[in-house]
Formats: sequence, C-alpha cells, structure tokens
Amino acid sequence: KQEVTQIPAALSVPEGENLVLNCSFTDSAIYNLQWFRQDPGKGLTSLLLIQSSQREQTSGRLNASLDKSSGRSTLYIAASQPGDSATYLCVVLPMRFGAGTRLTVKP
Amino acid sequence: EPEVTQTPSHQVTQMGQEVILRCVPISNHLYFYWYRQILGQKVEFLVSFYNNEISEKSEIFDDQFSVERPDGSNFTLKIRSTKLEDSAMYFCASSTTGFSNYGYTFGSGTRLTVV
Repeated sequence: KQEVTQIPAALSVPEGENLVLNCSFTDSAIYNLQWFRQDPGKGLTSLLLIQSSQREQTSGRLNASLDKSSGRSTLYIAASQPGDSATYLCVVLPMRFGAGTRLTVKP
Repeated sequence: EPEVTQTPSHQVTQMGQEVILRCVPISNHLYFYWYRQILGQKVEFLVSFYNNEISEKSEIFDDQFSVERPDGSNFTLKIRSTKLEDSAMYFCASSTTGFSNYGYTFGSGTRLTVV
C-alpha cells in the first residue's frame, strides 16, 4: 500500500527566504505526482503536476522535482512571500495524499 | 479557467439524517472522485467513478455512502444516516483521464457538520 510522507510537518521562515518541502513515497510505481496548496478552511489549488516520465516542473517561483527511483519529490519555493503561507500537499497519483507541510512566511 | 463547483459550501444536519452533497465536474472530464478531510487530518480518498459506475472505493466508503451521476452534469455523494464522525470537509474532483495524466481539479469543498 502506498504511503506518502511529507517533511517537515510545519515550517516557519522569514520573507524572502528560499525553501524546500519534501515528499516521499514508498511505491515507485506511480502514475504522476501533483502538488497542491490549501488555505485554511478552503479547497485545494493545484500548483504543479509532474508526470511519471518527467523529472521536474516549474511555474513562476515554484519548482517541483521527482525522483521515482528514490521515492522522492521536492517543492522548491524561491523568494518566499507572506502570501505563500498555506498548507502544501503532495499527492501521489493514484489517490494518495500526504499529510501536508504547513508553511508560515513571516513579513 | 474551468472549475469544479460544489454545493452547498456548508451544511449542518442532525445525526441520522440523510444528506446529499452536490458537485458539477468540468464538462469534458470523464473521471470523478470524492475525498474527505476531517478537521486537522489528512485528505482521504472515498470513491472514484467512471462510465456511470464506481471504479474504486476505499474502506471508508461503506454502505451508508452512495454516489450517482443523475444527469449529464451533476455528481452527487449521498450519506444515508449521518453520524457525528461524518463531520468533515468533502471535496469533489474530476480529471480527464483515469489516474490523471493531467492531474485532478478539485472543488472548493462542502463542510458537513453533523450535530
């Protein structure tokens, strides 16, 4: 059974810092991996989708990497801003969510 | 940009009552899903639906739950006799293909409170 782990569970950084969120999974036979953002009490906003044949995807200040053989993905956020404060969820497709990393960016 | 729409955004119901949560997936998507998130916990998979039938379901999705696509646009989750522990945020998602070559699109959720 696929298990998805996200480390750290919570992270607090000053504005402007670059940071990395980690996601690991136990079964490398995945289809794709998707990173989402969840604001408190809100829905899930898709940030990046990495297909299983890809190694990374970029969108603005976000870069996500995927290493299937080691069962790892990272989400890199450059020049963090207070508006980046949210919970970031890694989803290994099909259908397994990590518990998330709660990010706080302090002004 | 196309959206998945969920209604209502918040529903309060008494224990033992039936509730129906509604979702309108993106129009050209073929696969539909329900997830739930109990406050402070992980998002959990409930069920996936394709071609008018359930394609996969989790151990959470027991006999009190059912899903339906009553027409060409709506996708519903019914909970027959709600329990206090059914209180959660329920998310609907859709995708163009199974296991999502293009990823999931989620709705903004329905917060269900059972009292």
